[in-house]
Amino acid sequence: DAGVIQSPRHEVTEMGQEVTLRCKPISGHNSLFWYRQTMMRGLELLIYFNNNVPIDDSGMPEDRFSAKMPNASFSTLKIQPSEPRDSAVYFCASSNGQGWSEQYFGPGTRLTVT
Amino acid sequence: QQPVQSPQAVILREGEDAVINCSSSKALYSVHWYRQKHGEAPVFLMILLKGGEQKGHDKISASFNEKKQQSSLYLTASQLSYSGTYFCGTAGGTSYGKLTFGQGTILTVHP
Repeated sequence: DAGVIQSPRHEVTEMGQEVTLRCKPISGHNSLFWYRQTMMRGLELLIYFNNNVPIDDSGMPEDRFSAKMPNASFSTLKIQPSEPRDSAVYFCASSNGQGWSEQYFGPGTRLTVT
Repeated sequence: QQPVQSPQAVILREGEDAVINCSSSKALYSVHWYRQKHGEAPVFLMILLKGGEQKGHDKISASFNEKKQQSSLYLTASQLSYSGTYFCGTAGGTSYGKLTFGQGTILTVHP
């Protein structure tokens, strides 16, 4: 199994530009989670999907952030326009959607907005 | 509500033991423990379920007190490889696997 795949691994962009992060969950998993990690705020859940449907997006910071899951094998997190305070490591994780199931994290995307 | 972990940081010599605690103000269905090494993704260690038994893996074990809504992670005879940040994640009963993570405990093991 290839595990959770994220791309790109590193992204450097200028303030105001659009950024799109991509995630391929583990095959057969029906829940997908987007997290943001910073030193100040720790590991924050932004949004999660179950069976491709967004269940809870209360962690999305503001309207500049949007996420989609068009099918079971692909999800995107978009930031438009990006700001320096969006600089963080963004993780995608997947699980089989039960409270007793472990989450498998992707390697993360390190985003730097200058 | 984010669970609270204590201590925030621990420094050990190889072979020493450590306990990391995780407390929640909400009723819990499960507690998950993850370890993250610098520059890497969090890696799953173990899950404790409501009504379940204490879990163990090699020299790392954990307990879950449902009444107190607390969990503890026990690291015995620590090894250099145990160094990292430990996170507890808590889940309610019907959350499709959603976890709320604590702020993390930084564990450093010296030779």
